[in-house]
Amino acid sequence: KNEVEQSPQNLTAQEGEFITINCSYSVGISALHWLQQHPGGGIVSLFMLSSGKKKHGRLIATINIQEKHSSLHITASHPRDSAVYICAVRSLGSARQLTFGSGTQLTVLP
Amino acid sequence: ETGVTQTPRHLVMGMTNKKSLKCEQHLGHNAMYWYKQSAKKPLELMFVYNFKEQTENNSVPSRFSPECPNSSHLFLHLHTLQPEDSALYLCASSPEGGWGGQPQHFGDGTRLSIL
Repeated sequence: KNEVEQSPQNLTAQEGEFITINCSYSVGISALHWLQQHPGGGIVSLFMLSSGKKKHGRLIATINIQEKHSSLHITASHPRDSAVYICAVRSLGSARQLTFGSGTQLTVLP
Repeated sequence: ETGVTQTPRHLVMGMTNKKSLKCEQHLGHNAMYWYKQSAKKPLELMFVYNFKEQTENNSVPSRFSPECPNSSHLFLHLHTLQPEDSALYLCASSPEGGWGGQPQHFGDGTRLSIL
């Protein structure tokens, strides 16, 4: 059974701070996704990773396949970044199970 | 404008009612998904449709019945639901099926309350 653990569960930061959210998983995967969910429920897919690093604006996502770990970084954080950030992985093999983390609630204060 | 539209946004129904949730995408995608998000629980994938064919059913109770008449529309028919089915139901689409491929576009969800 694939376990996906995110840390921290809750994070409060001041505007401008550099933020890191972590995701660890326990089995081999074909891809890892980072999602952003705003209050009210709407979800935006931020990144899909299978190796290395991706950057989009102030967001950077990295993955270390050997260590089964991914990080999402936000540079120069802003109050509009306040949301729940969710990690999701698709496991390898015939089961190809899709497992979601419980999310990290980020609050950026002005 | 997300490109994926879900209706209704809110739904309150009794356990004996029959209702349907609707999802429509204008992105030209071929895969569509239903997810359930219960309070304080991780997101759960329910169904996947790829080119109108169901490719995944993650042990969802039969009181939830999906329908995909074409690649742009997805329905979730509800009947004889239980209070624990109260949740946010999210629809998503992607160019092709499977989470190992392209990122998905999500709708804003339907918040369902079962009385």
